[in-house]
Formats: sequence, C-alpha cells, structure tokens
Amino acid sequence: NAGVTQTPKFRVLKTGQSMTLLCAQDMNHEYMYWYRQDPGMGLRLIHYSVGEGTTAKGEVPDGYNVSRLKKQNFLLGLESAAPSQTSVYFCASSTPGLGFVLNTQYFGPGTRLTVL
Amino acid sequence: AQTVTQSQPEMSVQEAETVTLSCTYDTSESNYYLFWYKQPPSRQMILVIRQEAYKQQNATENRFSVNFQKAAKSFSLKISDSQLGDTAMYFCAFSGTSYGKLTFGQGTILTVHP
Repeated sequence: NAGVTQTPKFRVLKTGQSMTLLCAQDMNHEYMYWYRQDPGMGLRLIHYSVGEGTTAKGEVPDGYNVSRLKKQNFLLGLESAAPSQTSVYFCASSTPGLGFVLNTQYFGPGTRLTVL
Repeated sequence: AQTVTQSQPEMSVQEAETVTLSCTYDTSESNYYLFWYKQPPSRQMILVIRQEAYKQQNATENRFSVNFQKAAKSFSLKISDSQLGDTAMYFCAFSGTSYGKLTFGQGTILTVHP
C-alpha cells in the first residue's frame, strides 16, 4: 500500500515549456487535490476533483489544468510555465463520509518545480 | 471564505520542555474540522492531530494536545516533552463541509534544541 505517490520528485523547466505532474493513490479515495506551497504562505489549493471525470477550481487555478480520467490518478498540467509557478506541489486524497473519514487528507511527498 | 492565521513564524524550545503553537481562524460555518500537520525537512506532510468543532473535548495524541476555544476561534497545539524529532514546520488547517478542502495557515517553524 503506497498511499499517495507523485511523479516526478524534482523538475526544472524553462519559461514557456509545458509539463504534467502525476498523482496516484491506491486507497480508493473519491476526492483528490492539488496544492502549491510557497515560502511564508502555507499551502494553497489549485484544483480538486470529487470523482472520476470531475474537476473544480480552487484558490489559485490560473495557469494550471487538471484531469481525472481514472479514479486513482489526478494530473496537473502547466501549458506554458512561468517563473511565478516555481513552487513545491503537493497532491492529496480523501474519501467522503462522516467526521474525520471525510476530512482527513493524505498527502504525497511533493514535487519541487523550478521555472527559469 | 475561511482564513487561518498563525502569528508565530518561528518558535524554539529546549528538549523535554513544553511549547505551544498558536492558531486562529475565521469562518461562518457551524460545523468544521481543524488539523495540525507537521512538515519535517523531508517535506512530507504528516497529520499530527485533529479536532471536530462540535466536540467540546480537546483532542490529544500522546505528547500532542490542542486547546480548542470555539467562541474565540482559537486552536493551539501543545507539545509536551519536546523531542529533537519534533523539529519541523507546523501548519494549522481548517476544513468546512465543502468536499474536505483545506485552508492552511502560514506555518510555524519549530526548532527543538538539545
């Protein structure tokens, strides 16, 4: 049981390049999330998904696209990377239910992305 | 929209002593959940403790406990018998009833000195 995994762990891009970050979970969770972490700002929600084939915008969605074609995978895409997207990206998953079952998120190890 | 504020950017404590990290939040929701996550240098986000707003009893997990003051919208974390392995960034987080989305505070860097 690997939990939540993220690929790649590190990446350096040039401005204007594109890339896709992959998140995979083996806990059969319905909900998945992408956050970014910047110094002094905590984690902020980029996009999230409440089930296969669904996606929704979070707090900071501009410049990113997402897809959830399979329940276990949640992809985050950068079509034209900008230096402002230099950050650490975290994926998380959770499952709907009562109390903590719904609201406890399990995080992946993060991806450090640098855009030059 | 909810906000979470951690007013202590950095804290330090001696090994075996007790330290309290502060967190305040603002929300209009009546039912919600509060969390403390630990992020060591490895960058992994680790759940430390959680609290349901409708429960008046403060949550405890071994050396970690919270002081939840609902009226004051305060949710502080107390770490007893601090250990070197407690050195990390600590995040306070809020979740309402909308698909479990989390709102995080800015984080507090805790350093435990031997």
